[in-house]
Amino acid sequence: SAVISQKPSRDICQRGTSLTIQCQVDSQVTMMFWYRQQPGQSLTLIATANQGSEATYESGFVIDKFPISRPNLTFSTLTVSNMSPEDSSIYLCSVEGSGTGEAFFGQGTRLTVV
Amino acid sequence: AQSVTQPDIHITVSEGASLELRCNYSYGATPYLFWYVQSPGQGLQLLLKYFSGDTLVQGIKGFEAEFKRSQSSFNLRKPSVHWSDAAEYFCAVGRSGTASKLTFGTGTRLQVTL
Repeated sequence: SAVISQKPSRDICQRGTSLTIQCQVDSQVTMMFWYRQQPGQSLTLIATANQGSEATYESGFVIDKFPISRPNLTFSTLTVSNMSPEDSSIYLCSVEGSGTGEAFFGQGTRLTVV
Repeated sequence: AQSVTQPDIHITVSEGASLELRCNYSYGATPYLFWYVQSPGQGLQLLLKYFSGDTLVQGIKGFEAEFKRSQSSFNLRKPSVHWSDAAEYFCAVGRSGTASKLTFGTGTRLQVTL
């Protein structure tokens, strides 16, 4: 298993500003993922972040809006840029666990944009 | 592309009654399948998974699921529901042959009446 810590757990931000979400894992992992869960919706994959390479974004998500850093094997950040109320969501970090390779999730960051 | 369908948006059961949550997937090869539970304000918790082998898999909290290839289904069951099982349940399939990069269904909200 993997223990994932996300910061902040929640935030209220003004539109037009940016928020950086941190994801820290207690072990080295190759693959990390960022998901978005809009209110009342399911989870949608934003991007895959591998250490030492550019993040790979899913259709509908772009680097300018959601820049991602992956400086080492235990840490990643997701920035939500130039926020609007439509960005109000829960953002979750996920990692590929060792062994079976299944996904483990952080507690999420609940973002409200006003 | 993989897809997951959870036909039931909302289900209400009485405490002590049996439960079955439906999940259908679309994937060309043998899929990696998962059920996650999300309680209010909580992160995602893995209930159970299917990778291969025995098509009836046991999970935590008394849940089980059965993989039926002929029906492309992976339904979640519990013989006797507890009030604490009230939550959102997500079925997911691994993407591109991985177990960690997931496509989620839309979720089923379970309400338990006393």
